[in-house]
Amino acid sequence: NAGVMQNPRHLVRRRGQEARLRCSPMKGHSHVYWYRQLPEEGLKFMVYLQKENIIDESGMPKERFSAEFPKEGPSILRIQQVVRGDSAAYFCASSPPPEWINEQYFGPGTRLTVT
Amino acid sequence: AQTVTQSQPEMSVQEAETVTLSCTYDTSESDYYLFWYKQPPSRQMILVIRQEAYKQQNATENRFSVNFQKAAKSFSLKISDSQLGDAAMYFCAYRRGGTSYGKLTFGQGTILTVHP
Repeated sequence: NAGVMQNPRHLVRRRGQEARLRCSPMKGHSHVYWYRQLPEEGLKFMVYLQKENIIDESGMPKERFSAEFPKEGPSILRIQQVVRGDSAAYFCASSPPPEWINEQYFGPGTRLTVT
Repeated sequence: AQTVTQSQPEMSVQEAETVTLSCTYDTSESDYYLFWYKQPPSRQMILVIRQEAYKQQNATENRFSVNFQKAAKSFSLKISDSQLGDAAMYFCAYRRGGTSYGKLTFGQGTILTVHP
C-alpha cells in the first residue's frame, strides 16, 4: 500500500502566480488534512476534508486559499496570487474511517518558495 | 482552544545515552490523544509514539517511552540508547478524543542533536 503522495515536492512561484498542491491519500482513506509549516515553526492545521466536502477550514486564510477533495482524484490546495509569506512546507495527511480513532499518515510535503 | 508548548528549542545527547524531551499542553477536554512525531531532514513526519489520555499506563515503543502526567498536563518523551538516526526535529501534538475529527495541534518543536 503506497503511502500518502504529494506533488510536486518543490514548487517555485513568483509573486502573484497561482500555486496548486496535490495530495493523493492512501488507498481506502477518505479523510484528508492539510497543514502548513512556516520556517522554524510547528505544523499548523489549515483544513479538513472528506470526499466532496469541506468539514473544517478554520485554519485556512480567508482570502486566496482554497481546498477541494473531489470524488475522483487527489485533494488540491490552491493558493492564488501568492506572496512571499506563503513560502512554507505544506503537508497533507490522510486517515481511514473511523477517522476519530485512527492515525493520520503524513505525506512528504510540498515546499513552496515564492520569489 | 488547546495549546501545546515545547520549551526546549534544542537538545543534544551523546550516542547511547538517554535524553528527555519536554511537552506541556493545555486543554479543558478529558478525552484526548497525545503524540510525538519525528521530522528528520527529509521533512517526512513520522509517528513515534501515541498516548490515550484515559490510559494510566505510559506508552512505550522500543527505545521510546513517555511520561504522561495528566494532572500536570505534561507529556515528555524519553529516548534511551540514543542513535545517530534519532537526530531530528521532534514535535509533540494533541488531538481531541471522542468522535470529533482528529485535527492535530502541534508544539513548536525541539531539535535533537546526537553526538557520536
